[in-house]
Amino acid sequence: KNQVEQSPQSLIILEGKNCTLQCNYTVSPFSNLRWYKQDTGRGPVSLTIMTFSENTKSNGRYTATLDADTKQSSLHITASQLSDSASYICVVSPYSGGYQKVTFGTGTKLQVIP
Amino acid sequence: GAVVSQHPSRVICKSGTSVKIECRSLDFQATTMFWYRQFPKQSLMLMATSNEGSKATYEQGVEKDKFLINHASLTLSTLTVTSAHPEDSSFYICSAKTAGNNSPLHFGNGTRLTVT
Repeated sequence: KNQVEQSPQSLIILEGKNCTLQCNYTVSPFSNLRWYKQDTGRGPVSLTIMTFSENTKSNGRYTATLDADTKQSSLHITASQLSDSASYICVVSPYSGGYQKVTFGTGTKLQVIP
Repeated sequence: GAVVSQHPSRVICKSGTSVKIECRSLDFQATTMFWYRQFPKQSLMLMATSNEGSKATYEQGVEKDKFLINHASLTLSTLTVTSAHPEDSSFYICSAKTAGNNSPLHFGNGTRLTVT
């Protein structure tokens, strides 16, 4: 069964600090992995997308890494801001020819405090 | 960037009534749309997948007669919660994508349904 596990479940950091969120998956064969940010009461917004051949992808202060061999990904947030407070969801897509069914991680709830 | 508009954002209805939620892709053609349900402090739970012009594929445990999905065009999918009950109260989110394995999912902003 395809699974995506994220850690930590929740995290509180001071404004301006860096943090790293983890995502481990068992989806195979693997097509791509995406990180999303979901503000409370809103739909998820895409941060990064990586295929199996990519090791890192940046989007401003967000940098995602991927190790397809160990099936691990991380999302690093630098110089955190209060607006970074949200849930971060790792989403993994299998390769299945024409039909694609993603697996969602349970998310990491990040709270940035002043 | 690609925008998915979901409407309404909030709806309150009485038990036994039906509620329709719309999901529109505003600037791209969505070959596939997904509907999710999200409980507090939990991640999204896929309810069904719909491809334009064909019947939706429902996940195990999701009643297709209760959650009616129509994907009539490449830019519109609707979810109708029929004979709503208080336990149907939840946050419903749609997403849309174009063809291709690496095309990203674009999410709507969700609909908060409260059944009284």
